[in-house]
Amino acid sequence: EDKVVQSPLSLVVHEGDTVTLNCSYEVTNFRSLLWYKQEKKAPTFLFMLTSSGIEKKSGRLSSILDKKELFSILNITATQTGDSAVYLCAVDNYGQNFVFGPGTRLSVLP
Amino acid sequence: DTAVSQTPKYLVTQMGNDKSIKCEQNLGHDTMYWYKQDSKKFLKIMFSYNNKELIINETVPNRFSPKSPDKAHLNLHINSLELGDSAVYFCASSQDAGDEQFFGPGTRLTVL
Repeated sequence: EDKVVQSPLSLVVHEGDTVTLNCSYEVTNFRSLLWYKQEKKAPTFLFMLTSSGIEKKSGRLSSILDKKELFSILNITATQTGDSAVYLCAVDNYGQNFVFGPGTRLSVLP
Repeated sequence: DTAVSQTPKYLVTQMGNDKSIKCEQNLGHDTMYWYKQDSKKFLKIMFSYNNKELIINETVPNRFSPKSPDKAHLNLHINSLELGDSAVYFCASSQDAGDEQFFGPGTRLTVL
């Protein structure tokens, strides 16, 4: 069965800290891994990763994929209170399936 | 200029009723999806449509049926609603299957 696991499930940090969120997966036919940020409403897209070892960056956020070890990390540097959200990892199984992990709830305290 | 819109935003109804949730996207995408997010915030795919053909159908009860009148719309019909159907339902679209998905604002369904 296709599976996506995220850790930690929740995390509390202070502004300015750096955090690393983890996502590991087991799918039969991997195509891509996506990261989303969900605040109060709908998830919003952050990154799509298809190749190992190539870091994707957007401001203070960055992500990288390891297809050999079947995981990805999402880094957030110099966290701000606006980074507080649930971060979702999802894996696309070549259009056969699209599986989301349970999410990591990040709380950034002032 | 809403990219993916859903109506209604909130839906409160009694057990046994039949209801529909509408979804429209103005992005010109070829694939649309329905997700259910339960009280534990777990997001699970229910259906996806690519060019009006169903390409994923997860193990959801057949009381749920997607209907796509055209490429820009994917409506969700639910018959004989049950308490366990209470959740937030998200519509999403992507250019093609597996591409970045854009989500609608969600519909919070409460079954009494």
